[in-house]
Amino acid sequence: DIQMTQSPSTLSASVGDRVTITCRASQSISSWLAWYQQKPGKAPKLLIYKASSLESGVPSRFSGSGSGTEFTLTISSLQPDDFATYYCQQYNSYFTWTFGQGTKVEIK
Amino acid sequence: QVQLVQSGAEVKKPGASVKVSCKASGYTFTSYGISWVRQAPGQGLEWMGWISAYNGNTNYAQKLQGRVTMTTDTSTSTAYMELRSLRSDDTAVYYCARVLAQYYYYYMDVWGKGTTVTVSS
Repeated sequence: DIQMTQSPSTLSASVGDRVTITCRASQSISSWLAWYQQKPGKAPKLLIYKASSLESGVPSRFSGSGSGTEFTLTISSLQPDDFATYYCQQYNSYFTWTFGQGTKVEIK
Repeated sequence: QVQLVQSGAEVKKPGASVKVSCKASGYTFTSYGISWVRQAPGQGLEWMGWISAYNGNTNYAQKLQGRVTMTTDTSTSTAYMELRSLRSDDTAVYYCARVLAQYYYYYMDVWGKGTTVTVSS
């Protein structure tokens, strides 16, 4: 099974900071990676799909990059609404998915 | 707009079964799949399985094989997830999500609000 490892697990940042979250796959997954944002008590929200495609309606301060085994989610200028937990998710062949363990972005 | 509306919270005893529903609206139900994802209290997201609303094909996470069944009712655009032989560690919020396709890549774009299942004696 493909394992997904996110780092860091927790990140403390201030409004306006540039924030980068990393996700590593245990083997190559091409560009088959998505990023989700989850706030307490809410369902996950799709931000990025296919590693770098921005979901409609998601602010352009969010961007994704990478391919193969290493991927990043970048928030160019952190806003108050961005404090949340972020998950990467890989798609394997034949309808199997795996999530990273999550990265909590906290107020510094 | 695309919506997935899930059934209400459940409280079950260990060993019982639970069946959660997910009613879709705003799109052609049979053109997409549905995945189920759960989240134990304070924990991360765990993928449980997928069902094609087109032909009923399924794929389940290995750790749940034999205990989970996913079905759909195309006449009502509703997906169902049944989990049997419930244990305390099945206590979680259960989400359904629409699965969108881009060539051979599949991802979850719209999610239900979640159904809390509590397993307690």
